Amino acid sequence: GAGVSQSPSNKVTEKGKDVELRCDPISGHTALYWYRQRLGQGLEFLIYFQGNSAPDKSGLPSDRFSAERTGESVSTLTIQRTQQEDSAVYLCASSLAYRGSQDGYTFGSGTRLTVV
Amino acid sequence: KNQVEQSPQSLIILEGKNCTLQCNYTVSPFSNLRWYKQDTGRGPVSLTIMTFSENTKSNGRYTATLDADTKQSSLHITASQLSDSASYICVVSNTGNTPLVFGKGTRLSVIA
Repeated sequence: GAGVSQSPSNKVTEKGKDVELRCDPISGHTALYWYRQRLGQGLEFLIYFQGNSAPDKSGLPSDRFSAERTGESVSTLTIQRTQQEDSAVYLCASSLAYRGSQDGYTFGSGTRLTVV
Repeated sequence: KNQVEQSPQSLIILEGKNCTLQCNYTVSPFSNLRWYKQDTGRGPVSLTIMTFSENTKSNGRYTATLDADTKQSSLHITASQLSDSASYICVVSNTGNTPLVFGKGTRLSVIA
C-alpha cells in the first residue's frame, strides 16, 4: 500500500483479555518496527523485524508481549492478559532496510489501546 | 547511556511568529539525527535527516541545524502556521545495531 496501515485504530479491552494489533507495512519494506507511546511520553522501542525474523526483541516489556511477521509483510503484536499499564498508542513503522538508512521510517497512525 | 533530551517540553506561540526547538543528545558513536512531526492521533512524519557532516538542512519553513561537536540540534520554524501545532520529536541513531533513540518531543501550539 501507499502507507503503513494499522488496525484497529482504537481498541478498548477489559483487563485480563488478550488483544492483537495488526500492521501492514509499505510493500517492499523489509524492516518493520513496533513502538509504544504512553500519554505524554516519547516512543518506546518494542521489537523490530528484518524480513520475518526478529533480531531485536529487547524492548518487549514482559512475556505477555509477543509479535510475529509473515510473508515479509503483515505483522501482529499480541498482548496477553492485558493490564491497565498496557494502555498506550502502539505505533508500527517500516523502512526499506534496518534503521532506514537515509530514508527514515514511515509510521502508521497507531492503535490506541485502552485497558479498563 | 544513550539519551536524547528535548526542550522546551511545550511551547505556545502566535501565528506568524518564529520559534526554535532544541535537542541535546549523548548517543555515541553518532550516525544521524532526524526530526519528526507528530500530529495528534497520527504517527510521526519525517521532516529532516542529518548526518555528521551536515550543519544545516531545510524543508520548507523548517530548518534543522546540527553541531556534532556539542551534540546539539535545533529545529527552527519560520512564519508559523496553525497547522504547525504538533509534537516535534528528535531521533538519534548510532553506528551500531541498537534501536534509534527517541526524545520525548516538544509539544508546539500555534494560536491565532
